[in-house]
Amino acid sequence: AQSVAQPEDQVNVAEGNPLTVKCTYSVSGNPYLFWYVQYPNRGLQFLLKYITGDNLVKGSYGFEAEFNKSQTSFHLKKPSALVSDSALYFCAVRDRDNFNKFYFGSGTKLNVKP
Amino acid sequence: DTGVSQNPRHKITKRGQNVTFRCDPISEHNRLYWYRQTLGQGPEFLTYFQNEAQLEKSRLLSDRFSAERPKGSFSTLEIQRTEQGDSAMYLCASSGDSNTEAFFGQGTRLTVV
Repeated sequence: AQSVAQPEDQVNVAEGNPLTVKCTYSVSGNPYLFWYVQYPNRGLQFLLKYITGDNLVKGSYGFEAEFNKSQTSFHLKKPSALVSDSALYFCAVRDRDNFNKFYFGSGTKLNVKP
Repeated sequence: DTGVSQNPRHKITKRGQNVTFRCDPISEHNRLYWYRQTLGQGPEFLTYFQNEAQLEKSRLLSDRFSAERPKGSFSTLEIQRTEQGDSAMYLCASSGDSNTEAFFGQGTRLTVV
């Protein structure tokens, strides 16, 4: 069965510092991997995805993520955090050959303090 | 491209009443998903449509829940005889043949009192 784990419920970082939000996954086969962000009382907004190729993928708002196949991880990163980055972040996975569903982690609340 | 649209944004209903939510996907997106999200949790899969065909349903989806996508365009999610445990955010997402990712609507927040 596919599953996604986000081991940290909350990540606190000071503005201007680098941030990392962790994600590990367990899937059969080769997955597609995604990060989404959710602001209060809003839907999920797509940030970036890993399909194939370079293990470091870049996305919206200066975010990037590193795919590590051996560690089955897909950590979200940003070199310099902004207060406006404070939100809920979800990692998701989908089987390449199965469009039927995306599996989501439980989410990580990112707090960026001025 | 106006994005995925969900209506209503908020719904308060009394226990035992029926409710229906609507989702309008991005134009020409043939895949449509419904998810449920409770406070502090990630989205849980409910059901998936490819065009008008409902190809997968979660075991979470009791017989009080039904979803349709007539003509492969908009979709409706109906909950009959609502219970307090149905209180959640109901999210709709769509995807097309040229997408690997899904695009989400703003959600419908259901409160059952």
